[in-house]
Amino acid sequence: GAGVSQTPSNKVTEKGKYVELRCDPISGHTALYWYRQSLGQGPEFLIYFQGTGAADDSGLPNDRFFAVRPEGSVSTLKIQRTERGDSAVYLCASSLMGQGPSPLHFGNGTRLTVT
Amino acid sequence: AQTVTQSQPEMSVQEAETVTLSCTYDTSESDYYLFWYKQPPSRQMILVIRQEAYKQQNATENRFSVNFQKAAKSFSLKISDSQLGDAAMYFCAYRSAVRSEKLVFGKGTKLTVNP
Repeated sequence: GAGVSQTPSNKVTEKGKYVELRCDPISGHTALYWYRQSLGQGPEFLIYFQGTGAADDSGLPNDRFFAVRPEGSVSTLKIQRTERGDSAVYLCASSLMGQGPSPLHFGNGTRLTVT
Repeated sequence: AQTVTQSQPEMSVQEAETVTLSCTYDTSESDYYLFWYKQPPSRQMILVIRQEAYKQQNATENRFSVNFQKAAKSFSLKISDSQLGDAAMYFCAYRSAVRSEKLVFGKGTKLTVNP
């Protein structure tokens, strides 16, 4: 596709449930990022993939959060035992090289609401 | 750790006028990149302009320009001839050139353009 695609656009789940958020990056982009944006805040880094491997997962808040990118393209962010504090917009971005001035191209995000 | 501060939670400007959004950052590094992103209600983060720290010349992109003061660690965005479509959240972001590929964002400034 022309841009980064994220599905679903919105997700409502109950506390304690498991959710998966999908990101389809721009074709040919080797770098993929996940960010979390809470209300009234700037995006906060979660994890960065270069190809299939997680090059930096220092932003994952705890072991309930996990992300994969098995074929170096589509990525899935997985959240176990969701909590109300996990409610936020989850942004995915991709980049051609993942370094230097190469800009990040963002998707429209998934708004996760945990009730 | 690097931090980015945007001291203006909200700004407003009259259509066709000029407005400047402020950004300061804290880093001990000498080589890095700075970005301004725009986030309309669609949630997609759109790159407005970027600056390489090693370049003394301020970046410009049409009606958008920056005032990069490396010694003062300041990176303000000037929008000339403001248009209604410029109304959005604006985020300043920092990226190290050597340590990490992640972007560190400020909390954002909400820009309103009055007709």
